[in-house]
Amino acid sequence: QQQVKQSPQSLIVQKGGIPIINCAYENTAFDYFPWYQQFPGKGPALLIAIRPDVSEKKEGRFTISFNKSAKQFSLHIMDSQPGDSATYFCAASPYSGAGSYQLTFGKGTKLSVIP
Amino acid sequence: DSGVTQTPKHLITATGQRVTLRCSPRSGDLSVYWYQQSLDQGLQFLIQYYNGEERAKGNILERFSAQQFPDLHSELNLSSLELGDSALYFCASSFTGTSSYEQYFGPGTRLTVT
Repeated sequence: QQQVKQSPQSLIVQKGGIPIINCAYENTAFDYFPWYQQFPGKGPALLIAIRPDVSEKKEGRFTISFNKSAKQFSLHIMDSQPGDSATYFCAASPYSGAGSYQLTFGKGTKLSVIP
Repeated sequence: DSGVTQTPKHLITATGQRVTLRCSPRSGDLSVYWYQQSLDQGLQFLIQYYNGEERAKGNILERFSAQQFPDLHSELNLSSLELGDSALYFCASSFTGTSSYEQYFGPGTRLTVT
C-alpha cells in the first residue's frame, strides 16, 4: 500500500524557532512531493513542492530538503511566527498517466508557534 | 483564495439519504480531484476527472460516484449514507499550462450524517 509517514504528530516552538517536519515514503514511483498548510475550517493550501531531481528548494521562509536515497523529505520553517500555527501535510504523487497526479498524504503535523 | 469553489459549505443529512456535492475548478483547469478528510483516515484521494473523463480512482466506495460536466464543474454523489461518511470533502483542480502537478484545493464541504 502506498504510504507516506509523517512525524511528529504535533510540534510546539517559540517564535523565531525553526520547526522541522519529516516525511518518509516507500514507493519509488513517487516523483512529486508537495507540502500543504491547513488552517481550521479551511482547505489545504499548497505551500511548496519539490521534484526528485533537486535536493533542496526554498520559497521565502519555507525550505524542503529531499533525500532520494533515504526516501525522506522534510519541511523547515525559518523564523517561525504565530501566524504559522496550522496543520502541515506532506504528500507525494506518482506520475501515473497524462495529467494524473493523485496525492497520498501524510497524517499531518499540528504546529503551534508560541509568541 | 485558491479560485476553486465548493457548495454547499455544510450539509447535514440522515442515514440512507443521498447528497450531491458541487465543485467548480479554477478557470482553465481541466482536472478535478476529490478527497475525503476524516479524523481516523486523514486526507484520502477518491477520484479524478480530466476534461470530462474519469482518469484515476482511489479509495472510493461503490456508493459514491462522480462526474465532470462540459463546463468542467464536477459533482460528487454520495448515496445510502452511513454515519461513517461524515467527513470533510474537498475538491482540488489542476492542469493549467505547465503547472500540471500543482493541485489547488477548495474550501470543502462538511458532511454530517445523523
